[in-house]
Amino acid sequence: GQNIDQPTEMTATEGAIVQINCTYQTSGFNGLFWYQQHAGEAPTFLSYNVLDGLEEKGRFSSFLSRSKGYSYLLLKELQMKDSASYLCAVRDRDSGYALNFGKGTSLLVT
Amino acid sequence: DSGVTQTPKHLITATGQRVTLRCSPRSGDLSVYWYQQSLDQGLQFLIQYYNGEERAKGNILERFSAQQFPDLHSELNLSSLELGDSALYFCASSVAGPNYGYTFGSGTRLTVV
Repeated sequence: GQNIDQPTEMTATEGAIVQINCTYQTSGFNGLFWYQQHAGEAPTFLSYNVLDGLEEKGRFSSFLSRSKGYSYLLLKELQMKDSASYLCAVRDRDSGYALNFGKGTSLLVT
Repeated sequence: DSGVTQTPKHLITATGQRVTLRCSPRSGDLSVYWYQQSLDQGLQFLIQYYNGEERAKGNILERFSAQQFPDLHSELNLSSLELGDSALYFCASSVAGPNYGYTFGSGTRLTVV
């Protein structure tokens, strides 16, 4: 099975930087994904890490440490529209490569 | 428009009834995944199909079943509905390669009354 943990809620100020952490335990790790989801809408893909290190994509970056079972999503130059839920998901070879999601971190930008 | 089409968008039905949710994946995607999202549980993986065959099962109840047809569209059947089945049901599709996440449809909001 899997255990994916991320904070329930975070608040940050417009223009600031925020880091959303995710820890996981899985037997057949095959990649970590971050999704953004606005209330009542579909999740949208943000980033993917399968090797250790930092992946940067515009204002968003994601980091992975496989040995620590740890990832974070870094959002820079926060905008009001970034207020959303951020979902950490782990793909597992042992569950048919399905994505298993954490419960999400609700980010409020004020 | 993500390219993944789900119908209907909203569904209200009574306890004990049966409903069918439909999903058409993006053109070229062979895998279809079904997820349930309720307020307290987050996104829960239900079942995956790849090119017509069941590939993986998650937390899917025995009252629920799914299939993928030769044209690759998929249907999720929910029977003997209970109040607790009220949720957003998402379908997602993906290409075969590992470097891409899933693309989600806009979901079906099911309300059981």
